[in-house]
Amino acid sequence: EIVMTQSPATLSVSPGERATLSCRASQSVGSNLAWYQQKPGQAPRLLIYGASSRATGFPARFSGSGSGTEFTLTVSGLQSEDFAVYYCQQYNSWPPSTFGPGTRVDFK
Amino acid sequence: EVQVVESGGGLVKPGGSLRLSCAASGFTFSDAWMSWVRQAAGKGLEWVGRIKSKTAGGTTDYTAPVKGRFIISRDDSTNMLYLQMSSLKMEDTAVYYCATEFHGSYNYWGQGTLVSVSS
Repeated sequence: EIVMTQSPATLSVSPGERATLSCRASQSVGSNLAWYQQKPGQAPRLLIYGASSRATGFPARFSGSGSGTEFTLTVSGLQSEDFAVYYCQQYNSWPPSTFGPGTRVDFK
Repeated sequence: EVQVVESGGGLVKPGGSLRLSCAASGFTFSDAWMSWVRQAAGKGLEWVGRIKSKTAGGTTDYTAPVKGRFIISRDDSTNMLYLQMSSLKMEDTAVYYCATEFHGSYNYWGQGTLVSVSS
């Protein structure tokens, strides 16, 4: 089973700043990596798939990069609605599909 | 508009059974690969299992902790997905989400249904 790790666990950012979130896989997943955004009391929303393709409804300030075992989600110019928990998920080698533990982005 | 709506959650005793349902609309359900993902309170996401479309074989896969206890099925005539859970354990307590699979990622999620396993 591929183990996903995310860092940091919590990221404190001021509105307007850039947030950089990391996701690491225990073995290569190619570009088969997705990112999700989850706000309190809501279901997760697909944000990025294929490591760098932005899902419908998300603005260009969200970008994903990386391949193999190292991935990054960048939010440029953080806005109030971006404060949430972000999860990465690998779907290269499954079952099982595996998620990272999440990074919480909150107000500095 | 794509919609997936879960139902059937509730309180059940350890060792008990429960069946969750997921009603899908707004897309060609019979072509979709569908998954269940759960989330314990305050915790992260855990993939539970999936069922492929019948044209892809209709086969199922499960995560190890639920294998042999949970069964995923589908009824393409009514656009329904099911999760039959038996021999429930306290560690199965979670919000269960139904989700459509998009090349391995999950592009549409329901609002979730809460399953509580407690004596």
